[in-house]
Amino acid sequence: GNSVTQMEGPVTLSEEAFLTINCTYTATGYPSLFWYVQYPGEGLQLLLKATKADDKGSNKGFEATYRKETTSFHLEKGSVQVSDSAVYFCALSNTGNQFYFGTGTSLTVIP
Amino acid sequence: GAVVSQHPSRVICKSGTSVKIECRSLDFQATTMFWYRQFPKQSLMLMATSNEGSKATYEQGVEKDKFLINHASLTLSTLTVTSAHPEDSSFYICSARRPGQNTDTQYFGPGTRLTVL
Repeated sequence: GNSVTQMEGPVTLSEEAFLTINCTYTATGYPSLFWYVQYPGEGLQLLLKATKADDKGSNKGFEATYRKETTSFHLEKGSVQVSDSAVYFCALSNTGNQFYFGTGTSLTVIP
Repeated sequence: GAVVSQHPSRVICKSGTSVKIECRSLDFQATTMFWYRQFPKQSLMLMATSNEGSKATYEQGVEKDKFLINHASLTLSTLTVTSAHPEDSSFYICSARRPGQNTDTQYFGPGTRLTVL
């Protein structure tokens, strides 16, 4: 089956710290992988995605590399800002229809 | 800008009443829309897939008669929570797949927070 496991939060970091949020997946076939971000009181916004092995998705300083050998898609950012405080969801899609989401990781960045 | 909208953004209702939530694709026609439910501090769970002009496909465990979905046009899908109860209080999010793009691309609405008293 298809599933996504991501590290539990909450995560609290100081501004300019390095961020890693781990995400691993189980899937049949060759899924596409995504990171979505949800700011307080808002819906999900696509942060980045990768559609095949070894692809690197990047956006707003965030990066994640599709690692087929380790079935992982860890999210990283070299220097977080207060405005990055949000909940981050790892997700996969195998058919373009159904998305499978992780449980979300809450990030708080303090000045 | 936002390509999928939801209305209302928040709704509070009394137990036993029905609530309708609208999901609109603003600048494209969406043959398929999806409805998710998100409990506090939890992930999104797919409730159903809404197909224009046909019946929705519900996920296992989702009551069809309680969560009525209508996809009457290519830009509008509605979710009606019938005879709502406090346990239906949740954040409901819709998404739409944009034709012509990679089939994995979905756009999510801003969500509707339902509170049933």
